[in-house]
Amino acid sequence: EAGVVQSPRYKIIEKKQPVAFWCNPISGHNTLYWYLQNLGQGPELLIRYENEEAVDDSQLPKDRFSAERLKGVDSTLKIQPAELGDSAVYLCASSLAGEYNEQFFGPGTRLTVL
Amino acid sequence: GENVEQHPSTLSVQEGDSAVIKCTYSDSASNYFPWYKQELGKGPQLIIDIRSNVGEKKDQRIAVTLNKTAKHFSLHITETQPEDSAVYFCAASSTISWGKLQFGAGTQVVVTP
Repeated sequence: EAGVVQSPRYKIIEKKQPVAFWCNPISGHNTLYWYLQNLGQGPELLIRYENEEAVDDSQLPKDRFSAERLKGVDSTLKIQPAELGDSAVYLCASSLAGEYNEQFFGPGTRLTVL
Repeated sequence: GENVEQHPSTLSVQEGDSAVIKCTYSDSASNYFPWYKQELGKGPQLIIDIRSNVGEKKDQRIAVTLNKTAKHFSLHITETQPEDSAVYFCAASSTISWGKLQFGAGTQVVVTP
């Protein structure tokens, strides 16, 4: 069974440019997460979806970040405009709904903002 | 909100020795404590987890202990092998904010042959 798929794996852009990341969760997983991982740090939750609904986006910087999960499957995370401090790895994870279900992580997208 | 501290930040062990990583948490409502292993260029992968109603859990060479009173939990890896070399993260979440894992900063484990 395929795991969580993310693309692109690497992205280099100049500051003030827009960028988008795509995630395809494990089939049947209705909970989807976007995390930000800075170098040498643990992942930090940006947003969590239950099906199409964003149930926790308290950590998402809404002035420049946006996310969507149309049809409750794939998801896109967008940054516009990107800043130098946005350079990091953006991880997508998915799980079955429920408190103790394992979160399966994708390989991440490494973003470099020049 | 929850704050998770993890120690040490780096750990070097000889193959066959044991490795111990310790984490403390601040929110007494936290009740779920997973441990993740992250290899270079990959996403974190769950290796073991423990719930607050259990004090210890073991899976082959890996074990986790939880002390709710002191608010700390530990990962123990016995008979370490070179393939255990990776970054390990502890995390915590509560029923109210389930799914919102608060991660520690990670421990870089290096197992030398």
